Amino acid sequence: GAGVSQTPSNKVTEKGKYVELRCDPISGHTALYWYRQSLGQGPEFLIYFQGTGAADDSGLPNDRFFAVRPEGSVSTLKIQRTERGDSAVYLCASSSRGSKPDTQYFGPGTRLTVL
Amino acid sequence: AQTVTQSQPEMSVQEAETVTLSCTYDTSESDYYLFWYKQPPSRQMILVIRQEAYKQQNATENRFSVNFQKAAKSFSLKISDSQLGDAAMYFCAYRSALPSGTYKYIFGTGTRLKVLA
Repeated sequence: GAGVSQTPSNKVTEKGKYVELRCDPISGHTALYWYRQSLGQGPEFLIYFQGTGAADDSGLPNDRFFAVRPEGSVSTLKIQRTERGDSAVYLCASSSRGSKPDTQYFGPGTRLTVL
Repeated sequence: AQTVTQSQPEMSVQEAETVTLSCTYDTSESDYYLFWYKQPPSRQMILVIRQEAYKQQNATENRFSVNFQKAAKSFSLKISDSQLGDAAMYFCAYRSALPSGTYKYIFGTGTRLKVLA
């Protein structure tokens, strides 16, 4: 596709449930990032993939959060036993790691609401 | 650790006028990149302008320009001839240029820009 896409656009779930958020990066982009944006805040880094591997997961808040990118393209962010504090917009970005500074291109985000 | 500070939660500008959004950052690194992103209500983060720290010349993109003061660690965005479509949240972001870095962005808290007709 022309840009980064994320599905679903909105997700409402109940406390304790499991959710999956999907990111489809720009074709050919090897780097993929997940960020979390709470209300009134700037995005905060969660995890970075270079290819299929998670090169930096230092931003994941706890072990309820997990992300995969099995084929080096689409990525899924998985949240177990959701809590109300997980409510936020989850943004995905991709970039092409090359000689130029690799600008990150963002998707429209998934708004997660945990009731 | 690097930090980015945007001290103006909200700014207003009259259509066709000029406005400057402030951003300061803290880092011990010598090589890095700075960005301004725009986030309209659609939530999509759109790149406005980018500055490489090793370049002394300030970046410009049409009506958008920056005032990059490396010694002062300041990176302000100037929007000239403001248009109604410029209304959005604006985020300043820092990114390390170290070869071993993950290149994650560190964002400020944002400035909401209102454009008055």
